Amino acid sequence: DGGITQSPKYLFRKEGQNVTLSCEQNLNHDAMYWYRQDPGQGLRLIYYSQIVNDFQKGDIAEGYSVSREKKESFPLTVTSAQKNPTAFYLCASSPDRISSGNTIYFGEGSWLTVV
Amino acid sequence: QKEVEQNSGPLSVPEGAIASLNCTYSDRGSQSFFWYRQYSGKSPELIMFIYSNGDKEDGRFTAQLNKASQYVSLLIRDSQPSDSATYLCAGNDYKLSFGAGTTVTVRA
Repeated sequence: DGGITQSPKYLFRKEGQNVTLSCEQNLNHDAMYWYRQDPGQGLRLIYYSQIVNDFQKGDIAEGYSVSREKKESFPLTVTSAQKNPTAFYLCASSPDRISSGNTIYFGEGSWLTVV
Repeated sequence: QKEVEQNSGPLSVPEGAIASLNCTYSDRGSQSFFWYRQYSGKSPELIMFIYSNGDKEDGRFTAQLNKASQYVSLLIRDSQPSDSATYLCAGNDYKLSFGAGTTVTVRA
């Protein structure tokens, strides 16, 4: 089946630890995105990548890092510098730049909790 | 100012009624607008997109776009309990900017 796979679905992080969230897509999409969602809020963009080996900061990139070594993969690392990482993280992809009728599709999400 | 703003919720409607959701945007360069539905604890799923002024209908859903007034709306006709969810409005620039969402509850 084609789609976007995120793992793990649930993750617990201790204070001071880095954790990496995996995102893989087999849709042959060029662009990939990471969003964060907090309760009662919309989605906020962390990073996005429109092509392999290139990525751009979104609105809340501080404390996060990404890589895009392969078209299919866009992992997100939540570093210890991110002071409030507990949230729902969503990976998404789109065929190309977002335009008329060309939108993004989401994975199932990963829940990260700091313990 | 946020790029996309949705009217505050939550919205409660009886089964069979029309639910009306509104969204305003600040970037006149935005060309396309999207409505996503998100059930609690799940990821958003696309319901509709619209990029021309006027109405676009798909089943029980109608999206409306008014570029002069910079607003987008979504009407859900004959609301069903399964429509109870949070609805997210999004507009494009180089990415998608999302509103905070409006939570809809359909009372049986």
